[in-house]
Amino acid sequence: EFHLVESGGGLIQPGGSLRLSCAASDFTVSNYYMSWVRQAPGKGLEWVSLIYSGGSTYYADSVKGRFTISRDNSKNTLYLQMNSLRAEDTAVYYCAKDVGYGDYVDSWGQGTLVTVSS
Amino acid sequence: SYDLTQPLSVSVALGQTARITCEGNNIGSKNVHWYQQRPGQAPVLVICRDVIRPSGIPERFSGSNSGNTATLSISRAQAGDEADYYCQVWDSSTLVFGGGTRLTVL
Repeated sequence: EFHLVESGGGLIQPGGSLRLSCAASDFTVSNYYMSWVRQAPGKGLEWVSLIYSGGSTYYADSVKGRFTISRDNSKNTLYLQMNSLRAEDTAVYYCAKDVGYGDYVDSWGQGTLVTVSS
Repeated sequence: SYDLTQPLSVSVALGQTARITCEGNNIGSKNVHWYQQRPGQAPVLVICRDVIRPSGIPERFSGSNSGNTATLSISRAQAGDEADYYCQVWDSSTLVFGGGTRLTVL
């Protein structure tokens, strides 16, 4: 079983920045496609960003230019740097491990709540 | 971008079969995956690659996919099956989720 533990969420003012972390255990983050998926209160799942095992990155249009996905192989940790935050970014953010290379999510973190409000 | 459409809600009588659909253009040519999400919890995979049940998922859960519609079926519905269900496909380096369906067991 794979384990993912997110951290870094909290209350932040509009326009602020936050960095989410996702610590992985029992597998190597850099060997898999990894994503961030968010869920606004009372809403559905929304894919946010993806990093390939090879390092290529992809973003939803709603966050492109504001969010950056990255990983630290030495720490086996995935990150999401979020800048210029807006009220509509308020959500629970999940990190998600793909079973391989563009298929389905076989492991989810417990989620971390980001609240953007003044 | 690729869109997936699910009904907002589905109701099923206790012990009967619930069917949740996921519509997309020629979705039959893609692998469709289904997740169950209970309130306050992370999603859990219940069907992958159209028809495969992961270990630990009851045989009551099954899937199909053809043409423009994929379907998640839950037979002998139980109160514990009440949850939100999401379909998902992979398209152009993105994970695409359906809007989700709230299953109510009456």
